[in-house]
Amino acid sequence: EAGVAQSPRYKIIEKRQSVAFWCNPISGHATLYWYQQILGQGPKLLIQFQNNGVVDDSQLPKDRFSAERLKGVDSTLKIQPAKLEDSAVYLCASSLISWNPGELFFGEGSRLTVL
Amino acid sequence: AQTVTQSQPEMSVQEAETVTLSCTYDTSESDYYLFWYKQPPSRQMILVIRQEAYKQQNATENRFSVNFQKAAKSFSLKISDSQLGDAAMYFCAYGDPNRDDKIIFGKGTRLHILP
Repeated sequence: EAGVAQSPRYKIIEKRQSVAFWCNPISGHATLYWYQQILGQGPKLLIQFQNNGVVDDSQLPKDRFSAERLKGVDSTLKIQPAKLEDSAVYLCASSLISWNPGELFFGEGSRLTVL
Repeated sequence: AQTVTQSQPEMSVQEAETVTLSCTYDTSESDYYLFWYKQPPSRQMILVIRQEAYKQQNATENRFSVNFQKAAKSFSLKISDSQLGDAAMYFCAYGDPNRDDKIIFGKGTRLHILP
């Protein structure tokens, strides 16, 4: 079974530039999560999708971050314009909500450095 | 709002010894899940063990076991016969099945295994 795929693995940009991260969850997983993990901290939930609908985006800085999940499969997280404090690893995870609740399957993450 | 607190930023244990990682949480819910996730260096985060709040029996997975104290809102992880491959960041996490499986994480404990 293929795991959660994320790209790019690494990205370096200047502040005020834009960046987009892509995630392909495990086939059949209805729930998709984007977490932000700043160095030395635990993952912070940015947005949670159930199929292609948003369940929770309360901690998403909506003035600069946006996310979509087209057709309930792949998802894209965009930052525009980026700030220095956005430097972090962006983790995508998926789960089959009605089975083994809470077992998230994570991708390898996309490491963003904002200069 | 639910919170998860890990008060030990780093811990070390001798190979083959036993170590306990601490976690406390705060919630007003009676139905929830607790988890320990492992994040090895430069690798994906994976689920180590899960505990349902309605179960009194502590969960066990091979060398990993938990001490779940619901009244005290405490959830510690015990690793027996520590191995070099256990070196990682360990995150305690809380899940709310009544909120579409929203999962929140603590800040993590970095575990070092001494040969």
